[in-house]
Amino acid sequence: DADVTQTPRNRITKTGKRIMLECSQTKGHDRMYWYRQDPGLGLRLIYYSFDVKDINKGEISDGYSVSRQAQAKFSLSLESAIPNQTALYFCATSALTGDEQYFGPGTRLTVT
Amino acid sequence: AQSVTQLGSHVSVSEGALVLLRCNYSSSVPPYLFWYVQYPNQGLQLLLKYTTGATLVKGINGFEAEFKKSETSFHLTKPSAHMSDAAEYFCAVSDRMGLGTASKLTFGTGTRLQVTL
Repeated sequence: DADVTQTPRNRITKTGKRIMLECSQTKGHDRMYWYRQDPGLGLRLIYYSFDVKDINKGEISDGYSVSRQAQAKFSLSLESAIPNQTALYFCATSALTGDEQYFGPGTRLTVT
Repeated sequence: AQSVTQLGSHVSVSEGALVLLRCNYSSSVPPYLFWYVQYPNQGLQLLLKYTTGATLVKGINGFEAEFKKSETSFHLTKPSAHMSDAAEYFCAVSDRMGLGTASKLTFGTGTRLQVTL
């Protein structure tokens, strides 16, 4: 089984709808991250959490919110989706004493 | 603020040729530097990293990179390309947290490597 899982893997939704992307990990890591990937722009950090009680905005947090329900779970919400939020979304984790981030397989979100 | 510049959004090499993917960084503090690879329809996977010590670092699949502080560069190389190397490659920089571990990553825009016969 994968260490970092994301659900759903693909989602098509309409403008104005609320949508939640979920991330779960079995690596026992304290730190979790949400990124979005757009062609030609690389990955940009949306939110990150260094432990269950810690939530921080990244460089592009507007229009998004997150919830750290447990050490293993970190959810990303789009309260009112808009077409320019169409992107590939990645969750990642890292250990408190580590350097490497471990990525999930991604969620492809399309907002029509 | 930290930043990463990857020169060339697309690089094409012949199988067996040298692979050189360029990365320059900007950081006000000694950085941690990373190269990640993304195969089609997959997440990112760490290729190699520089934290401290030896400036020439070796990674998986025959890749290596050299940290050059004077040039603020961390270019990725592989002596002989293989078809399976076709992927997108991302350079990333991180500052250092109090425990000496990496903080959040800032990624470059990526370089897509094409390998031709």
